[in-house]
Amino acid sequence: KNEVEQSPQNLTAQEGEFITINCSYSVGISALHWLQQHPGGGIVSLFMLSSGKKKHGRLIATINIQEKHSSLHITASHPRDSAVYICAVETSGSRLTFGEGTQLTVNP
Amino acid sequence: SAVISQKPSRDICQRGTSLTIQCQVDSQVTMMFWYRQQPGQSLTLIATANQGSEATYESGFVIDKFPISRPNLTFSTLTVSNMSPEDSSIYLCSVARDYGYTFGSGTRLTVV
Repeated sequence: KNEVEQSPQNLTAQEGEFITINCSYSVGISALHWLQQHPGGGIVSLFMLSSGKKKHGRLIATINIQEKHSSLHITASHPRDSAVYICAVETSGSRLTFGEGTQLTVNP
Repeated sequence: SAVISQKPSRDICQRGTSLTIQCQVDSQVTMMFWYRQQPGQSLTLIATANQGSEATYESGFVIDKFPISRPNLTFSTLTVSNMSPEDSSIYLCSVARDYGYTFGSGTRLTVV
């Protein structure tokens, strides 16, 4: 079993829909990161969470430390949100362990 | 956030040759990380590069295959040695900040 599990693996939505991507982990962490990877390969950091909830524009990330679970929500999705979303947990020595990623496609 | 310049952005190499990938950060950082992303998979940490000491390699990665240099606090190189088609991947460097991680734009390597 992977230390970081994401679901779903693939997600197709219509423009305007509310989207949720889930991440569960099995190890002790110092922080959890949500990353976005575009087709060209570049990776952008969206959120770093150690507790609670963060919001940036149409993106919301939550984490429940007791349940070892995090969610990334996208409100009013848009085709430009199409990308791979990756959950990564940070453990000792600033090491990151990555989930397999969720391929999101938002159709107009 | 920190800006990382990574090059080359892509290369096609013959098997048996070596390729050196460079990452330049616009500010001093203690640790730099090198990752590999094989086709259709997520990222895997290759090694952590500290200035002034040898890199720390993850299980399955060895210095002879992936030598790393870290001559100062803003620069690092990763060499992929004696390449085979199985080394075809995206290679990325990254640094940690208080607010998260910054990644280089990646090097897409194809070995033929």
